[in-house]
Amino acid sequence: AQSVSQHNHHVILSEAASLELGCNYSYGGTVNLFWYVQYPGQHLQLLLKYFSGDPLVKGIKGFEAEFIKSKFSFNLRKPSVQWSDTAEYFCAVTRDDKIIFGKGTRLHILP
Amino acid sequence: EAQVTQNPRYLITVTGKKLTVTCSQNMNHEYMSWYRQDPGLGLRQIYYSMNVEVTDKGDVPEGYKVSRKEKRNFPLILESPSPNQTSLYFCASRHSNQPQHFGDGTRLSIL
Repeated sequence: AQSVSQHNHHVILSEAASLELGCNYSYGGTVNLFWYVQYPGQHLQLLLKYFSGDPLVKGIKGFEAEFIKSKFSFNLRKPSVQWSDTAEYFCAVTRDDKIIFGKGTRLHILP
Repeated sequence: EAQVTQNPRYLITVTGKKLTVTCSQNMNHEYMSWYRQDPGLGLRQIYYSMNVEVTDKGDVPEGYKVSRKEKRNFPLILESPSPNQTSLYFCASRHSNQPQHFGDGTRLSIL
């Protein structure tokens, strides 16, 4: 079955630490990839997206993600996290007009 | 302003009392979806619609109904709510493989 896996369910970091959240998908062929962020008490918002072209995409708030086709991965990174990055992060994949979300990674940043 | 509007934002009700959560989008999107979000389970799709009068089951459709009589509206109906439907619900819309736009969420408590 087609799926999106986020390996880390809960991550705790100190401010200024570097962040990498894993995302792997099981689709073959051409896909569109997304990362969404959900701040406490809010709805999901788009962080960044990859459709084609440069596999390193930059999003809002200093986040970036790298698409590695051979590994079916789209990991989210940020060089130096802030307390305000505390949120839940969802990876999502669309193919043939279907969208599937990962189960989410809850990120907690210690001040 | 482009938005997805859900109502109500919060509802506490009792088992068996029919309820409807409305969803409206003003972006002329073809695709609309309903999700429920539960701790540890991420986002699970309940129903989706690819256009007017076209709806399909998602991953967890049991106990829910939807309709898509107009492009902008996609109400979620719980004919006989039960406590296991207590959850946070999100409506979303999108155009083809573009990013999802989410509503602010509806927190339902079924006693």
